[in-house]
Amino acid sequence: EIVLTQSPATLSLSPGERATLSCRASQSISNSLAWYQQKPGQAPRLLIYDASYRATGIPPRFSGSGSGTDFTLTIGSLEPEDFALYYCQQRSDPVTFGQGTRLE
Amino acid sequence: QVHLVQSGAEVRKPGASVKVSCTTSGYTFTNYCLHWVRQAPGHGLEWMGIINPRGGTVINAQKFHDRLTVTRDTSTRTVYMELSSLRSEDTAVYYCARDYSAGRWSYYLGSWGQGSLVTVSS
Repeated sequence: EIVLTQSPATLSLSPGERATLSCRASQSISNSLAWYQQKPGQAPRLLIYDASYRATGIPPRFSGSGSGTDFTLTIGSLEPEDFALYYCQQRSDPVTFGQGTRLE
Repeated sequence: QVHLVQSGAEVRKPGASVKVSCTTSGYTFTNYCLHWVRQAPGHGLEWMGIINPRGGTVINAQKFHDRLTVTRDTSTRTVYMELSSLRSEDTAVYYCARDYSAGRWSYYLGSWGQGSLVTVSS
């Protein structure tokens, strides 16, 4: 099973700042990585797939990069609604998720 | 507009089974695979399995292989997840989620249901 390790566990920033979240895979997964946002009491929302493609309706301030084992989600200029939990996910068998980064 | 509506909260005793439904609308049911994911209180996300509604093919995570049954009813556009031999560690919110890509198994989760809380307690 591929383990995804997200860092940092918590990221404290202010609106307007730039956020950089990391996800490291225990073995190479090419570009087979997604990022999700989850707010309290809500289901996750797909932000990025295939490491760098924005899902439908996702604002351009969200961008993803990386391949192999190291991946990054960048939020260019934080809006108040961006403060949430973020998970990465890889799609090899079995699908696994990272433990999450809390953006506060 | 795509909608996935799940059944309500359930309480079960250890050793029992639970069946959660996910009724879909707003798209061609047989064109997209559906996943089940769970989230224990205060914990992260855990993928459980996937079903192709077109032929009914199911792939379950090995962890749940002998306890998880995923089925579908094309006439009602509904997918079901049944988990047996429940234990306290199965207490979680269970989500169904539609695969992001039509016609193939991308294993990215695009649209999600609202979640169904299953509580296992004696």
